[in-house]
Amino acid sequence: EVQLLESGGGLVQSGGSLRLSCAASGFTFSAYAMSWVRQAPGKGLEWVSGVSGSGGSIYYTDSVKGRFTVSRDNSRNTLYLQVSSLRPEDTAVYYCARAIRWLQSHDYWGQGTLVTVSS
Amino acid sequence: QSALTQPASVSGSPGQSITISCTGTSSDVGDYNYVSWYQQHPGKAPKLMIYDVSNRPSGVSNRFSGSKSGNTASLTISGLQAEDEADYYCSSYTSSGTLVLFGGGTKLTVL
Repeated sequence: EVQLLESGGGLVQSGGSLRLSCAASGFTFSAYAMSWVRQAPGKGLEWVSGVSGSGGSIYYTDSVKGRFTVSRDNSRNTLYLQVSSLRPEDTAVYYCARAIRWLQSHDYWGQGTLVTVSS
Repeated sequence: QSALTQPASVSGSPGQSITISCTGTSSDVGDYNYVSWYQQHPGKAPKLMIYDVSNRPSGVSNRFSGSKSGNTASLTISGLQAEDEADYYCSSYTSSGTLVLFGGGTKLTVL
């Protein structure tokens, strides 16, 4: 059974940092691209970042470039998102999701971890 | 890059059919057959319902179907059931800097 379990969220002041983790199980982690998708309270979904199975290809949405860093440790079956220089508008539930092919769709999602940025 | 455009809400009675539209541009929906639809119940993670415009993942009811014409994709739910009441999001792959676009979401109410 495919499982994705996020952790690392919390309350942080504006300008602060956190490292989000996503522990994967039930599939060959290194064979799949992965994404981070966020959802602000009461708002829609927003794709944040994607990384290829090897970690060699990485993309970000414009609003987080230079502030967020995605990485993965295939030996630990874990995806990471380092979020820095946080702003109140980064407040959201952050989901990790397994991608179909190269980000064309996402077939499994974790339960999410909440990041709250106070001003 | 702007999000894909969806109606804010749709409604229907049990047993009826409804359709949710998702309008993009020639750089995303119109250029790729990589439109997906997700269902999200309150407080839950999104669930993939349709991928590659019209394909259903294993386990998804055949009451859910997808299509595309030009820059607009559509999700149709037939034989509405109370459990279908949820938010629905479309998504498209795009070759622009933001590789994945989502729609703003549509709240489906089953009357």
